[in-house]
Amino acid sequence: KNQVEQSPQSLIILEGKNCTLQCNYTVSPFSNLRWYKQDTGRGPVSLTIMTFSENTKSNGRYTATLDADTKQSSLHITASQLSDSASYICVVSDNSGGGADGLTFGKGTHLIIQP
Amino acid sequence: DGGITQSPKYLFRKEGQNVTLSCEQNLNHDAMYWYRQDPGQGLRLIYYSQIVNDFQKGDIAEGYSVSREKKESFPLTVTSAQKNPTAFYLCASSLDQSYNEQFFGPGTRLTVL
Repeated sequence: KNQVEQSPQSLIILEGKNCTLQCNYTVSPFSNLRWYKQDTGRGPVSLTIMTFSENTKSNGRYTATLDADTKQSSLHITASQLSDSASYICVVSDNSGGGADGLTFGKGTHLIIQP
Repeated sequence: DGGITQSPKYLFRKEGQNVTLSCEQNLNHDAMYWYRQDPGQGLRLIYYSQIVNDFQKGDIAEGYSVSREKKESFPLTVTSAQKNPTAFYLCASSLDQSYNEQFFGPGTRLTVL
């Protein structure tokens, strides 16, 4: 069964510090991996999408990495801000030919930035 | 939330009542989805629709029903048969079914009293 495991489950850091969130997956065959940011009580918003051939992608202070051999991804946040407080969700797609059942969602990492 | 809206934001329901959650998009997307989110769990797929007048069950369709009479609209009905309906419901859309980026609505929090 396809699975996406995220760690840590929750994380508290001080404003201005860096942090790294992890995503390990067993989805096969692999199509792409997305990181979403979800503010409390809101819908998720896409941060990055990475395909098999990409190993790094940045979006402002967010940098995602992908190691397709070890089936691991990370999301690095640089110089954290209070607005970074949110849940970060990793979503992996297989290439089974279509349909929403090809998406596997992680449970998310809940990040809290303290002033 | 870019072009996809859900209403209401908060909804309270008595046990035994059906309730319908609205989802509308003006992105001209073919595919639309309904997810349920519970604390400490990943999003779970309830139903999805790839084109008008067609929809498929997701992983947890029991106790829910949908319709797709218009491209822009994909309402979800939570029926009295759903045993544990209290949750945060998210609607999403994508250009088509081939895993183009999903755009999510702001969500509806349903509480059964």
